[in-house]
Amino acid sequence: GAVVSQHPSRVICKSGTSVKIECRSLDFQATTMFWYRQFPKQSLMLMATSNEGSKATYEQGVEKDKFLINHASLTLSTLTVTSAHPEDSSFYICSAPRTGENEQFFGPGTRLTVL
Amino acid sequence: SQQGEEDPQALSIQEGENATMNCSYKTSINNLQWYRQNSGRGLVHLILIRSNEREKHSGRLRVTLDTSKKSSSLLITASRAADTASYFCATDGKGAQKLVFGQGTRLTINP
Repeated sequence: GAVVSQHPSRVICKSGTSVKIECRSLDFQATTMFWYRQFPKQSLMLMATSNEGSKATYEQGVEKDKFLINHASLTLSTLTVTSAHPEDSSFYICSAPRTGENEQFFGPGTRLTVL
Repeated sequence: SQQGEEDPQALSIQEGENATMNCSYKTSINNLQWYRQNSGRGLVHLILIRSNEREKHSGRLRVTLDTSKKSSSLLITASRAADTASYFCATDGKGAQKLVFGQGTRLTINP
């Protein structure tokens, strides 16, 4: 199967700082990537759709100025949590489908803890 | 996004028994997929069933889909301790790749 990586796997930061999370498709090109957030013992909630070369599409209730998404190449999307607060602490997961396929390949996730 | 419901929320069975999890969704779908998530990890794709299919098998997994009831079930036969994980169904709508996840079922297989 296709491989999607995320970096870092775990990050702890102070309140008010910004954190960047990378999502890479290692062996395929992804024109679209998806970013999810998962709170403990809950399901995944889609935050935004990342489109290569164009603006991301955010789900209702997700602040686009707080969660900056950049999809600068066909293998890399980044999510920057700006001015992070403790309530932003969560597990962030990205996914990407291969072109023309329905199955999505998920990254291993990034656990963000904001102190 | 509106999430579907899964039941049970938690299921604990003995190794060797079969485990059945159910998923309901709210809107018309293109495909329904099942994923497994081990604690603190990413998701692993298990099986995809298209809206025009009613049943699909993959190894010890059997998935059914009833579009009239907007529901699906995942059966894991001859369960193993390694099957302990959370299981999520996810649907994608017509013309959209983004997935809407169910609430998930936490499955525990007791040795």
